[in-house]
Amino acid sequence: EADIYQTPRYLVIGTGKKITLECSQTMGHDKMYWYQQDPGMELHLIHYSYGVNSTEKGDLSSESTVSRIRTEHFPLTLESARPSHTSQYLCASSEEHEQYFGPGTRLTVT
Amino acid sequence: GEDVEQSLFLSVREGDSSVINCTYTDSSSTYLYWYKQEPGAGLQLLTYIFSNMDMKQDQRLTVLLNKKDKHLSLRIADTQTGDSAIYFCAESLFTGRRALTFGSGTRLQVQP
Repeated sequence: EADIYQTPRYLVIGTGKKITLECSQTMGHDKMYWYQQDPGMELHLIHYSYGVNSTEKGDLSSESTVSRIRTEHFPLTLESARPSHTSQYLCASSEEHEQYFGPGTRLTVT
Repeated sequence: GEDVEQSLFLSVREGDSSVINCTYTDSSSTYLYWYKQEPGAGLQLLTYIFSNMDMKQDQRLTVLLNKKDKHLSLRIADTQTGDSAIYFCAESLFTGRRALTFGSGTRLQVQP
């Protein structure tokens, strides 16, 4: 069983606010990922990291940014939230070929 | 590029077997996964198979891979109401970033 955590689980915030979604894992995994899950339930990769100080954009364009200063943490930041950012954000980490997911953050921007 | 497709909905009666199907397009060495997502939750890794295998069984779950047709299936034996969820098929390449490409998910509804 994997230990990967995301906070907050739910967030309702007004347009223009800056937000940071937290993701942490205690397994020492080098690879970490952020996926966005839209209302049609399909997941798309928006960011990934090979390790500390290594981040790359994913397949789906996103206005969010990420950082990887420590192995355990992979936070995602939106500088100015908009209603189009309303979605579920899922963080994952992997070792070899098993990728484990956190519980997700459901973000609503009003 | 990678592309994964699944049917959207499956309804079965409790105690029957469920078979969820998936097709993928990438011809490289790849891992293929099945994840389960319950309402309001993240994704739970159920099982995975490497593309050089034909079958993998784990308790009530059986994964079958037809490499020629690029077809993957998940069979759940003796389906229970607790199996009601959305099931995602996904693939990742053997090398590189190993990010997952997901299908759109199959909603399994188990009737009591």
